[in-house]
Amino acid sequence: AQKVTQAQTEISVVEKEDVTLDCVYETRDTTYYLFWYKQPPSGELVFLIRRNSFDEQNEISGRYSWNFQKSTSSFNFTITASQVVDSAVYFCALSGRGSGNTGKLIFGQGTTLQVKP
Amino acid sequence: GAVVSQHPSRVICKSGTSVKIECRSLDFQATTMFWYRQFPKKSLMLMATSNEGSKATYEQGVEKDKFLINHASLTLSTLTVTSAHPEDSSFYICSARRWGQGYEQYFGPGTRLTVT
Repeated sequence: AQKVTQAQTEISVVEKEDVTLDCVYETRDTTYYLFWYKQPPSGELVFLIRRNSFDEQNEISGRYSWNFQKSTSSFNFTITASQVVDSAVYFCALSGRGSGNTGKLIFGQGTTLQVKP
Repeated sequence: GAVVSQHPSRVICKSGTSVKIECRSLDFQATTMFWYRQFPKKSLMLMATSNEGSKATYEQGVEKDKFLINHASLTLSTLTVTSAHPEDSSFYICSARRWGQGYEQYFGPGTRLTVT
């Protein structure tokens, strides 16, 4: 079975602080993809990153960075120098080559990030 | 590119009526579309996978007779909530997978359904 766990339900930080959102996944597939999405109050999901299981390189995009570690089945997301506009719900998701190869996404429970001015 | 639209964005209906939600890929062909449901402050739960020209595959626990899905063309999938009840009130989100583009899914803006 596939599962994604985001243990942090809510995080509150003050602007300019760094914050890390944790994501732990479970899968038996050897080939899989991991994603992070942002959901602002408007409700629309915003794609942030996709990482395949063969690429463990960390990635940085502006203030965002991701740490993928297969050894611990984790795909953590760090926002550096957080801003109020970063306030949203963040979802980690997994898509495996199993399950008939439909590409369906399994979402974690989401982490609500509140950045205070 | 890769824009997905949903219509309507909000709908209020009376208990017992049926509601149709459309999901369209505007600038690409989508062989597979997915329908998710999200309760307030909760995660997205996959309801069904819709493939163009074939029957949808429903997730365990989702009533196929209540949530009718039709994927009539490569750019349109519809979700019909039949005989809606207040417990069907939710945020419904569709996504589309572009032909030949691996596992990338493009999400629509969602439809908020309120059943009174």
